[in-house]
Amino acid sequence: GAGVSQTPSNKVTEKGKYVELRCDPISGHTALYWYRQSLGQGPEFLIYFQGTGAADDSGLPNDRFFAVRPEGSVSTLKIQRTERGDSAVYLCASSPEGTGVSGELFFGEGSRLTVL
Amino acid sequence: GESVGLHLPTLSVQEGDNSIINCAYSNSASDYFIWYKQESGKGPQFIIDIRSNMDKRQGQRVTVLLNKTVKHLSLQIAATQPGDSAVYFCAENIRSGGGADGLTFGKGTHLIIQP
Repeated sequence: GAGVSQTPSNKVTEKGKYVELRCDPISGHTALYWYRQSLGQGPEFLIYFQGTGAADDSGLPNDRFFAVRPEGSVSTLKIQRTERGDSAVYLCASSPEGTGVSGELFFGEGSRLTVL
Repeated sequence: GESVGLHLPTLSVQEGDNSIINCAYSNSASDYFIWYKQESGKGPQFIIDIRSNMDKRQGQRVTVLLNKTVKHLSLQIAATQPGDSAVYFCAENIRSGGGADGLTFGKGTHLIIQP
């Protein structure tokens, strides 16, 4: 499809395990964002990529969280030693240019992570 | 605490009536605000945005009002339809100068349309 694609849509894991969540943005969008959304809350900013580089990773909660975008397209959010508090929907969004242009982000449907 | 929030968690309106969803923000340096709609099981969808040099902006059936004096933002939806049922989030840009980097979202208002 033409939208932002996220996989897996659902992931159940055990505490302490390693998890990877993938985001395939809209073709040609240079800006890519990861957000985390807990139940009943608004999305919480994690990290922003402009091209291949992380322009702003100030939202990552701790060093167990890491994200990459090696070729400036697909991004992977990696969570090490998962904890129950990491359970949430992880949203990815992309936009054509990012900085200074528009707040219109195109979101995927999210990856629901459940840590048992 | 959050710098962006909403007054009411749930708003119920009759189909065909107008809806007003409110949002308060506390960061006086914010200069760009956006409303998003999120349907169940989906990602947020952009509705409308407004910059701080404006106090009103209209879209199709939606109007956003910005009152910088009291740091208040509202979204008006005209002639609500069943498809308007969703959670609505206001968001602000935490960087001066506009742009979409690091949007801060409020907690959301659940809009319920009664038949």
